[in-house]
Amino acid sequence: DAGVIQSPRHEVTEMGQEVTLRCKPISGHNSLFWYRQTMMRGLELLIYFNNNVPIDDSGMPEDRFSAKMPNASFSTLKIQPSEPRDSAVYFCASSLVADTQYFGPGTRLTVL
Amino acid sequence: AQKITQTQPGMFVQEKEAVTLDCTYDTSDPSYGLFWYKQPSSGEMIFLIYQGSYDQQNATEGRYSLNFQKARKSANLVISASQLGDSAMYFCAIRRNQGGKLIFGQGTELSVKP
Repeated sequence: DAGVIQSPRHEVTEMGQEVTLRCKPISGHNSLFWYRQTMMRGLELLIYFNNNVPIDDSGMPEDRFSAKMPNASFSTLKIQPSEPRDSAVYFCASSLVADTQYFGPGTRLTVL
Repeated sequence: AQKITQTQPGMFVQEKEAVTLDCTYDTSDPSYGLFWYKQPSSGEMIFLIYQGSYDQQNATEGRYSLNFQKARKSANLVISASQLGDSAMYFCAIRRNQGGKLIFGQGTELSVKP
């Protein structure tokens, strides 16, 4: 069975550029989560969706970050404009509501 | 608010021995779940084991078991018969039973010595 799929796996960009991270959840899962992992702050939730609807976006750092889930099989996390402090590993996870969350391989973002 | 505390930044264990990774939590929710994830050096997050707050028995999954002490608010992970492949970061996390975000601890780095 395919797990959570994320792309790209690595992204290197320059400050000020737009970055788009993509996620395909496990088929049949109706909750999708975006987490960010940094050395300083550890693993933190950015936003999550239930049935394609954003439920909690309190972890989104600021207006430069936006996330969408246009359908049950696809989500994007966009950073515009990117800044060096956005450098981190971004994980997407999916689950059935109130069930175990399964993580994708992550996207390692470096903003120069 | 929910909080996870992992007080051991790093641990060493001899191959084939058992090891316990500590996790304490704080929550005001009456119903919650506790999770452990493994993150090897390759970076992925691998789900290991789950314990519900109302579960009467401690969870077990193969070589992993969870020593759940509700009154003490602890959910320690026990790995039996350690293997070299167990070397990784281990994260404890908590979540409301109704779903939603995981709150993670800072992690424990386990090194298994041959």
